[in-house]
Amino acid sequence: GAVVSQHPSRVICKSGTSVKIECRSLDFQATTMFWYRQFPKQSLMLMATSNEGSKATYEQGVEKDKFLINHASLTLSTLTVTSAHPEDSSFYICSARDNQGVGGYTFGSGTRLTVV
Amino acid sequence: AQSVSQHNHHVILSEAASLELGCNYSYGGTVNLFWYVQYPGQHLQLLLKYFSGDPLVKGIKGFEAEFIKSKFSFNLRKPSVQWSDTAEYFCAVTTSGGYNKLIFGAGTRLAVHP
Repeated sequence: GAVVSQHPSRVICKSGTSVKIECRSLDFQATTMFWYRQFPKQSLMLMATSNEGSKATYEQGVEKDKFLINHASLTLSTLTVTSAHPEDSSFYICSARDNQGVGGYTFGSGTRLTVV
Repeated sequence: AQSVSQHNHHVILSEAASLELGCNYSYGGTVNLFWYVQYPGQHLQLLLKYFSGDPLVKGIKGFEAEFIKSKFSFNLRKPSVQWSDTAEYFCAVTTSGGYNKLIFGAGTRLAVHP
């Protein structure tokens, strides 16, 4: 089946630094990927929709300059958390439209970001 | 914009009990509906999905869900739960057009006791 690989699974960074998270579709092409943020014991909040070769579409309230998204190829989307602060600590999950039937989605395993 | 409501935030059951988790969505057009499960420490897995056709959808691990259009509902059911069903369950909806972004409900944390 369709697999989405997300890396790293866990990262700790210092406040003020930037962190890049990668999301790869391993056996299919993903023209559209989605980035979510999940706070402890809460649901997944959609941050942005990433489209290959074009600018990402951000949800209301999400800072575009803080959460940079690049979708340069059909198999890779990246999320960069710039100038990270402790309040950015969270679980970030990517998802891609897969080829398992109409409207199927596959999720990455997530990245736990801790900003100290 | 569409939204998803899950009424039960935390459910505790004994093994062999029946399960029903509520899910309602708000959107007037055509929707696609999903239930995902997140086991502790693992990523989201698809339980089942509804796009069209038979409103009673059967998924993996004995789960099923019924789409009732008039009630804007897509409740998840399982006749007899097991300890291994302990997890968080998310209902999600996407519209049939646009970028098809998936919107999640708040989730229901299920704990099954032996």
